[in-house]
Amino acid sequence: GQNIDQPTEMTATEGAIVQINCTYQTSGFNGLFWYQQHAGEAPTFLSYNVLDGLEEKGRFSSFLSRSKGYSYLLLKELQMKDSASYLCAVVDSNYQLIWGAGTKLIIKP
Amino acid sequence: DTAVSQTPKYLVTQMGNDKSIKCEQNLGHDTMYWYKQDSKKFLKIMFSYNNKELIINETVPNRFSPKSPDKAHLNLHINSLELGDSAVYFCASSRDRGENTGELFFGEGSRLTVL
Repeated sequence: GQNIDQPTEMTATEGAIVQINCTYQTSGFNGLFWYQQHAGEAPTFLSYNVLDGLEEKGRFSSFLSRSKGYSYLLLKELQMKDSASYLCAVVDSNYQLIWGAGTKLIIKP
Repeated sequence: DTAVSQTPKYLVTQMGNDKSIKCEQNLGHDTMYWYKQDSKKFLKIMFSYNNKELIINETVPNRFSPKSPDKAHLNLHINSLELGDSAVYFCASSRDRGENTGELFFGEGSRLTVL
């Protein structure tokens, strides 16, 4: 079967750095997305990786290792507004999106 | 302008009723989707619709039926509502499908509560 694993919940301090991991086992791979979802709101696109390596976009970076079936989202200089769920989603060989359950990130002052 | 809009945002109804949720996108996208997000926060694909081709997730009960009057609209109709249908339903769109899908743009969600 297809599976996406992320930690259920993480806590970090305002101003710090946090890394949210995602491991996947899917039938094929055609890219990996990270989405942010604030409570009661829609998921919004953060990043897309299809090649190995690090993609940096402001305070957020996303890393991919296809050989290890592993990605992480790195959030720097955490702000209170970064409190949200972060969803990892993999595009499989049929170009279907397989979603993880998301990681709830709690930022404390 | 809201890119993907869905109505109503909240819907409370009795078991056995029939209800509809409407979705419209103004992004000029060719593919639209309906997702169900349950209490455990998993996003489960229900339907995708591209150029009059409907792809159904086989696990979705046939009480659920999508209707697309044109490529900018994909409505969700639910017959004989059950308690387990309580969830947040998200509409989404993407520019195309397959390898040209790109990122998904989501509506704000419709929270359905069945009593």
